This record gives sequence, structure tokens and C-alpha cells, in this order.
Amino acid sequence: KQEVTQIPAALSVPEGENLVLNCSFTDSAIYNLQWFRQDPGKGLTSLLLIQSSQREQTSGRLNASLDKSSGRSTLYIAASQPGDSATYLCAAYSGGSNYKLTFGKGTLLTVNP
Amino acid sequence: DTGVSQNPRHKITKRGQNVTFRCDPISEHNRLYWYRQTLGQGPEFLTYFQNEAQLEKSRLLSDRFSAERPKGSFSTLEIQRTEQGDSAMYLCASSLAAAALRTDTQYFGPGTRLTVL
Repeated sequence: KQEVTQIPAALSVPEGENLVLNCSFTDSAIYNLQWFRQDPGKGLTSLLLIQSSQREQTSGRLNASLDKSSGRSTLYIAASQPGDSATYLCAAYSGGSNYKLTFGKGTLLTVNP
Repeated sequence: DTGVSQNPRHKITKRGQNVTFRCDPISEHNRLYWYRQTLGQGPEFLTYFQNEAQLEKSRLLSDRFSAERPKGSFSTLEIQRTEQGDSAMYLCASSLAAAALRTDTQYFGPGTRLTVL
């Protein structure tokens, strides 16, 4: 059974700082890994999807990496802004399922002006 | 609005009552998913439809829960005889299965927050 863990559970940084969010998974036989953003009381917004054959994906100030051998993914946010404040969730397709996402508990990010 | 929509956004009910939620996916998407999220946790998979066929149900989905997707368009999730433990955010997502890719990006709706008193 796939388990996804995110560290840290919460992170507070000053505006402008670069930061890294970590995600680890127990089953390395994943199809892909997806990073989401969730604002308080809202649904999820997809940020980046990394296929199992890829090592990283970039979108604007965001860069996500995937290392299947170590069971880890990182989300790098450059030049953080107060608008980046949200909960960031990682999720993996695995266990022979190409449709069922297993989520971590998320990292609550606060960027202080 | 071309995104996933869910109604209602909030539902407060008394224990023992039945509730029904609706999800309208992105129009061309053939896959539809339901997840449940409790406070401080990530979403947990409940069930999945490919067109109108319900292909998997999680063990989290007790006999009190039923989901349908008639005609492969919108979907409903009904909870009968609600319990306080059913209080959660119920999220719907949809995706377009692409043969060229092993998996597809799921797009989530805003969720329905259920409070059972």
C-alpha cells in the first residue's frame, strides 16, 4: 500500500525567500506524481505533474523533481510571494492504479510580507 | 465556467438525514472521481467512474454511500442516515483519459463541505 509523507507540516518564510517542500513515498512503482495547491476551504489546483519517466517539471517560479529510486519528490518555489501562502499537497498514482491518487497530508506554507 | 462544479458548496444536516451532492465535470472528460477530505488530512479516494461505469469503490465507502453517473455526464453522491463522522469536505475531480499517457491530470472542483450535527 502506497503511503505519502510530506515534511514539514508547516513552514513560515519571509517574502522573497526561495524554499523547498518535500514529499516521500513508499512504493517506488509509481506512474507519476502530482503537486497541488489548496487555499483554505477551497478545492485543489493542479500545479505540476511529473511522469515516472521524467525527473523534473517547471512552471514559472515552480520546479518539481522526482527521484523514484529514493522515493522522493521536491517542490521548489523561487522568490516566494504572500500570494503563495496555501497548503501544498503531493499525490502519486501507484499500486497498479492509473486513476487513484494517494495524497500526503500537505505542507501549510505562510509567506510573510 | 469550464471547470468542475459542485453543488451545494455547503450542507448542514442533522444526524440520520439523507444528503445528496452533485458534481458537473469538465464537459469532455470521461473520468470522474470522488474524494473525501477531513481537517488536516489529504484527500482520500472514494470512488471512480469511467463514463457511466463505476469501476472502483473504496472500503471507505460504506453501504450508506452510493454514487451514480447516469449517461456519463454529471455525478451524484448520496449519503443515507448521516453520522457525525461523515462531516468532511467531499471533492469531485475529472480527467480525460489519454491512450498515449499512462495517467492523466485530475482537475478538482471546489468541494462540498458537509457538517452533520
